[in-house]
Amino acid sequence: EAGVAQSPRYKIIEKRQSVAFWCNPISGHATLYWYQQILGQGPKLLIQFQNNGVVDDSQLPKDRFSAERLKGVDSTLKIQPAKLEDSAVYLCASSLSSIAGRGYTFGSGTRLTVV
Amino acid sequence: GDSVTQMEGPVTLSEEAFLTINCTYTATGYPSLFWYVQYPGEGLQLLLKATKADDKGSNKGFEATYRKETTSFHLEKGSVQVSDSAVYFCALSDGGATNKLIFGTGTLLAVQP
Repeated sequence: EAGVAQSPRYKIIEKRQSVAFWCNPISGHATLYWYQQILGQGPKLLIQFQNNGVVDDSQLPKDRFSAERLKGVDSTLKIQPAKLEDSAVYLCASSLSSIAGRGYTFGSGTRLTVV
Repeated sequence: GDSVTQMEGPVTLSEEAFLTINCTYTATGYPSLFWYVQYPGEGLQLLLKATKADDKGSNKGFEATYRKETTSFHLEKGSVQVSDSAVYFCALSDGGATNKLIFGTGTLLAVQP
């Protein structure tokens, strides 16, 4: 099966600019996650969708970050305006459901550098 | 809250050496435990998992046993190869409604020929 697709792979922007990342999960996967991985740290959950509804966005900095999952398939994560500390790899993952014990399938990520 | 602590790296080994990467966790419930691996330039891949105490997860020669009494899930491999060079992440899922994964900081493994 095709994996989780993310684009772009790399992005460099100046602080205060806006940026958007796109994710296409594995076909049929109802649950979609966005994680932020800062260099030297483990990934941290930003937001989780079940179909097109938000399940958990408690760690999402809502003053600058937004995400949507239209029609329960593709998802877009946006940052506006970006700060230097947003430099990180943004990982998208999907799973069949949110049942405990199921691993996720991760995409290759988008590496964001804010200068 | 729940958390995962991993041994810091980098860990540098010669080919065919024995590998142990320590991982301990703190959780209020009965979490599922995972090891993920991240090869250079690639995304995270599930390496192995265990969903209850005393379960042993295994894959590609790697093993980890869920030890509730010591709250540990150490990763081991009897003979590492150069191709095992990667960053290894220990993670837990608390099994709540979100099935959120909480990761450790990762351990870089470098295997030299």
